[in-house]
Amino acid sequence: NAGVTQTPKFQVLKTGQSMTLQCAQDMNHNSMYWYRQDPGMGLRLIYYSASEGTTDKGEVPNGYNVSRLNKREFSLRLESAAPSQTSVYFCAVAGIPHEQYFGPGTRLTVT
Amino acid sequence: KQEVTQIPAALSVPEGENLVLNCSFTDSAIYNLQWFRQDPGKGLTSLLLIQSSQREQTSGRLNASLDKSSGRSTLYIAASQPGDSATYLCAFSSNTGKLIFGQGTTLQVKP
Repeated sequence: NAGVTQTPKFQVLKTGQSMTLQCAQDMNHNSMYWYRQDPGMGLRLIYYSASEGTTDKGEVPNGYNVSRLNKREFSLRLESAAPSQTSVYFCAVAGIPHEQYFGPGTRLTVT
Repeated sequence: KQEVTQIPAALSVPEGENLVLNCSFTDSAIYNLQWFRQDPGKGLTSLLLIQSSQREQTSGRLNASLDKSSGRSTLYIAASQPGDSATYLCAFSSNTGKLIFGQGTTLQVKP
């Protein structure tokens, strides 16, 4: 029972490269979220998915796309990475009553 | 727009002290309040969830309270231990489950 898993754990990209961050859960929860954490800015919501087949923008969606592949998986894609996207990315899941459980994070550096 | 403030930003106490971490919010139309712990370089661990109809929750040495009328939540840690050293984050959610985080309080408990 792994809870929430994220891959990769670390990644270094050059400006303009693309990549997909993967998140998977075995908690059978409907809602999934992507956050970024930056020093001095705290945690901010990028996108979320209330259920399979639906996605909505959060506070900072620009430069990102998401896919809710099925109930278990929610991926975050950077089409053309920029240095401003250097951050730690967290995936979270929630059932009812919306208690959120977080994955271990992906540390992304864009040079 | 909901804003969440945590005071103090940092706290250092000797082992064994009881302590209170504060969290204030601007919009009383909240669904849940959640307290998290984050160790350096790690993900977030959920400590306590208080639903809007509740006033407090307890888990071991931790007690969290919610006062919607004053826009405040507190996390009380009894008999602090060096292992409690971490950053503590509070977050509020609407009924969509989207969390808005405070900046956190970094706690150091000295042996």
